[in-house]
Amino acid sequence: GQQLNQSPQSMFIQEGEDVSMNCTSSSIFNTWLWYKQDPGEGPVLLIALYKAGELTSNGRLTAQFGITRKDSFLNISASIPSDVGIYFCAGTTSGTYKYIFGTGTRLKVLA
Amino acid sequence: DAMVIQNPRYQVTQFGKPVTLSCSQTLNHNVMYWYQQKSSQAPKLLFHYYDKDFNNEADTPDNFQSRRPNTSFCFLDIRSPGLGDAAMYLCATSRVGGPDTQYFGPGTRLTVL
Repeated sequence: GQQLNQSPQSMFIQEGEDVSMNCTSSSIFNTWLWYKQDPGEGPVLLIALYKAGELTSNGRLTAQFGITRKDSFLNISASIPSDVGIYFCAGTTSGTYKYIFGTGTRLKVLA
Repeated sequence: DAMVIQNPRYQVTQFGKPVTLSCSQTLNHNVMYWYQQKSSQAPKLLFHYYDKDFNNEADTPDNFQSRRPNTSFCFLDIRSPGLGDAAMYLCATSRVGGPDTQYFGPGTRLTVL
């Protein structure tokens, strides 16, 4: 099935560093969602974006809905060890009830 | 707290022995989804229900079936599990008519011996 391109695939960073990842699509979306998944658990919703250009924060996390509606970005500031996990983006077009997932970014934080 | 619940969290079955995974939700969402996820890959949609309307993905094997007896519950039946069906199975919900948001359960890890 269709997947979104998410980059980077993985990253190792030092504790305290900022992190940036992005998700791109060949299609326009009306909604972008960002999830974090810990090993052995289901994805947990971090941020939802509904409008082109929208910038939304959740604690140290900030996500943006790209103005072309074909991309989205997630930033994590001052990373801590518990930020370790896999981050997935997901996009949908209103009325389809189906979400297209990104390939995931695996984040590892070195203390 | 409103949530999506999956039982069991871990399920072991034998090759070819039917198995049922269950999902319940207290969110009163009208759409429920089943995903398969292997080795840190992106979740792969198997099917979804919009109320009682069942929507199968074209590439979902016939071995996978689903039932939704009411709004709160949805079941995934694997009729004859093969070794390749070992995976994490994720249930999710969303509400049509509200902001597009999808919530996941904790997942069921299926092992096939």
